[in-house]
Amino acid sequence: AQKVTQAQTEISVVEKEDVTLDCVYETRDTTYYLFWYKQPPSGELVFLIRRNSFDEQNEISGRYSWNFQKSTSSFNFTITASQVVDSAVYFCALEDNNNDMRFGAGTRLTVKP
Amino acid sequence: DTGVSQDPRHKITKRGQNVTFRCDPISEHNRLYWYRQTLGQGPEFLTYFQNEAQLEKSRLLSDRFSAERPKGSFSTLEIQRTEQGDSAMYLCASSLSNEQYFGPGTRLTVT
Repeated sequence: AQKVTQAQTEISVVEKEDVTLDCVYETRDTTYYLFWYKQPPSGELVFLIRRNSFDEQNEISGRYSWNFQKSTSSFNFTITASQVVDSAVYFCALEDNNNDMRFGAGTRLTVKP
Repeated sequence: DTGVSQDPRHKITKRGQNVTFRCDPISEHNRLYWYRQTLGQGPEFLTYFQNEAQLEKSRLLSDRFSAERPKGSFSTLEIQRTEQGDSAMYLCASSLSNEQYFGPGTRLTVT
């Protein structure tokens, strides 16, 4: 069975701090996809990144970076120099071969000015 | 707006009534998904269509729930004999490959 765990329920930082959101997953599939989504207060889920299980290369996009470690089944997300607009709930998700996507419970990030 | 749209955005209904929600995916997307999200939780998968074929159904989709995608374009999700436990945000997403784009959701409140 698939499972995604986001152990951090809430994180609060002050603007300009770096913050890492943890994601640990479980799956028996050898081929799968990992995702991060942002859900701002408006409610709409915003796609951030997709990573397939064969690509362990870390990725950087502006202030966002992702660290995929297959050995520890983790796909962590770091925001550098956080801004107030980064305040949202962030979800990690895993999609298996059957296109069944499982989301973690989310981490609520609050960035204070 | 060429994103995923959902209608209505909010629905308040009395227990026992039937409700139907609509999702219009991004036009070239052949896959369409329904999720349910309750407060403080991540979205839970309900069902998935590839074109008009319903390929996966979660155990969460009891016999009171039915979804259709008659022409492989828009989809409807119907809940019959609603219960208070059905109160949630119902999200629709569409994709062409593996990247799902989500709509704004329909918030259902069952009183």
